[in-house]
Amino acid sequence: DTEVTQTPKHLVMGMTNKKSLKCEQHMGHRAMYWYKQKAKKPPELMFVYSYEKLSINESVPSRFSPECPNSSLLNLHLHALQPEDSALYLCASSHLTGINQPQHFGDGTRLSIL
Amino acid sequence: QKEVEQNSGPLSVPEGAIASLNCTYSDRVSQSFFWYRQYSGKSPELIMSIYSNGDKEDGRFTAQLNKASQYVSLLIRDSQPSDSATYLCAVNGAGDNAGNMLTFGGGTRLMVKP
Repeated sequence: DTEVTQTPKHLVMGMTNKKSLKCEQHMGHRAMYWYKQKAKKPPELMFVYSYEKLSINESVPSRFSPECPNSSLLNLHLHALQPEDSALYLCASSHLTGINQPQHFGDGTRLSIL
Repeated sequence: QKEVEQNSGPLSVPEGAIASLNCTYSDRVSQSFFWYRQYSGKSPELIMSIYSNGDKEDGRFTAQLNKASQYVSLLIRDSQPSDSATYLCAVNGAGDNAGNMLTFGGGTRLMVKP
């Protein structure tokens, strides 16, 4: 088990569905991240939140909509996804002060688009 | 464009041997270096971090950093079948309020044979 909790662990949805992925951490981290990971590839950064504000959007399609309601929670809202969006979605968090802060990952959500 | 390079493997070693995993990076101002272990279907798990030139040991793991050569490595002593996984090298540049951005290598798949 990790200190970054992601729900659900698995999600199957159709291309017309709307769903949300959730991430929670209680380590006092003020940076939170969403990554997408395809099989046999490294994690690919999607979004970065710093102090609850979106600081980086790596040109992610608008069918992915992030939200950071407070310093412990991070959501990823999904709508009208495509089959190629099927992947492991990882949430991570880190401290912001200092430069040597590692990112800690949650267990991920395995997403399948039908 | 920051790049982090790893041999994709698979690197196959017999049980009890030393596994040596290597990583090179392109950005000279990189300051923090991390090794993550990722089992198939699971999320990345932080196993080592190193910030200064030289060696850092933690149990069976030793990280080595040479900033002049832009090279970081991970040695696993007394390799066990449970060490079989993909090892991701991650490099952090200068941290700022945009988060501690990581650039991942493609990962090296390690297989430890009984």
